[in-house]
Amino acid sequence: AQTVTQSQPEMSVQEAETVTLSCTYDTSENNYYLFWYKQPPSRQMILVIRQEAYKQQNATENRFSVNFQKAAKSFSLKISDSQLGDTAMYFCAFMKRDSGNTPLVFGKGTRLSVIA
Amino acid sequence: DTGVSQDPRHKITKRGQNVTFRCDPISEHNRLYWYRQTLGQGPEFLTYFQNEAQLEKSRLLSDRFSAERPKGSFSTLEIQRTEQGDSAMYLCASSLFPEETQYFGPGTRLLVL
Repeated sequence: AQTVTQSQPEMSVQEAETVTLSCTYDTSENNYYLFWYKQPPSRQMILVIRQEAYKQQNATENRFSVNFQKAAKSFSLKISDSQLGDTAMYFCAFMKRDSGNTPLVFGKGTRLSVIA
Repeated sequence: DTGVSQDPRHKITKRGQNVTFRCDPISEHNRLYWYRQTLGQGPEFLTYFQNEAQLEKSRLLSDRFSAERPKGSFSTLEIQRTEQGDSAMYLCASSLFPEETQYFGPGTRLLVL
């Protein structure tokens, strides 16, 4: 079974600064997706960024980028130029691709606070 | 595109009562997932459908839980004889398989007294 570990329960960052959230995972699979989801307070979960395991190039979406290290099974999220609206719970998630995209396996999340 | 919707958003019930939640996925999405999220935890998978077929159920889904997606559109999740341990946020998500991205609804927060 796959597991996802987020070792930082809480983090804070000053507005306009850069912060990196950590995620490691355990799997014997070779073909999978990794995701970062954001869950703002009392609001629904939204996708931040996704990475396909067979792609070596790290995914980037505007201020959000990942550092995907497949051999180390590490998938960290970097948020540049942090904004107050980035305050949220961030969840790292794994999806096995073979056998037709399995349900997501989530980590416990990191609570990020952006301070003005 | 109105997104995934869930009803009700909040439910308070007494232990032993039955409750039913509804999820309306994004139109034409063929996959629908149910997850449960307790305080301080990430969502945990419960069950999912492709069209009207229930493809997988988690071991978390006890016999008191049942889910349906009768016409391949909306889905219902019923919990019979609720227990205090059932208190959680119940999240629904949908996707257009084979695309991998799941889109989440706002959730139904259940409190069992």
